[in-house]
Amino acid sequence: DAGVTQSPTHLIKTRGQQVTLRCSPISGHKSVSWYQQVLGQGPQFIFQYYEKEERGRGNFPDRFSARQFPNYSSELNVNALLLGDSALYLCASSLGFSGSATDTQYFGPGTRLTVL
Amino acid sequence: SQKIEQNSEALNIQEGKTATLTCNYTNYSPAYLQWYRQDPGRGPVFLLLIRENEKEKRKERLKVTFDTTLKQSLFHITASQPADSATYLCAIDTGRRALTFGSGTRLQVQP
Repeated sequence: DAGVTQSPTHLIKTRGQQVTLRCSPISGHKSVSWYQQVLGQGPQFIFQYYEKEERGRGNFPDRFSARQFPNYSSELNVNALLLGDSALYLCASSLGFSGSATDTQYFGPGTRLTVL
Repeated sequence: SQKIEQNSEALNIQEGKTATLTCNYTNYSPAYLQWYRQDPGRGPVFLLLIRENEKEKRKERLKVTFDTTLKQSLFHITASQPADSATYLCAIDTGRRALTFGSGTRLQVQP
């Protein structure tokens, strides 16, 4: 079975631009979470979506937004890019809500975003 | 806010020895704690979950302990192998339907 897939693998943008990252969860998983991982740090929670609704949001500015589609895939959008947005963006899928001990999160390989 | 601390310095050990990694947390009482492995350029891979009412959990060569009084978890890899070299992350649930991760400890197993 395919794991979590993300596209693109790498992306280079300039300050002020907008970017859209995509994620396809494991088949049967209804929850998708997005994390930002800056080099040398652990992943930091951005959003969680379940059944196409936002269920959780981390401490990120409104420039970050996301959505989940009927097929449970998801997009993360970042507007007005800053140099500090350069990071590995990870998508994780789970059967249900994070916050339940049984809902193990399975991470994708990530999208490496570089902002120049 | 919740804070998770892991040794920022890399841990270097000889093949065959036991590696012990530490995770300390403050300002929260998580219902469970998870450990992940992350290789360079890859996403984290789930290893073990331990609940607050469990003192110890084992899986093959891995062992995790959870001391809610000390607010600490220890992660052990016995009979370590060079293939165990990676960054190991601990994470706790924050009750906001999200995981809060530590910054990870890099383990290097020398042959």
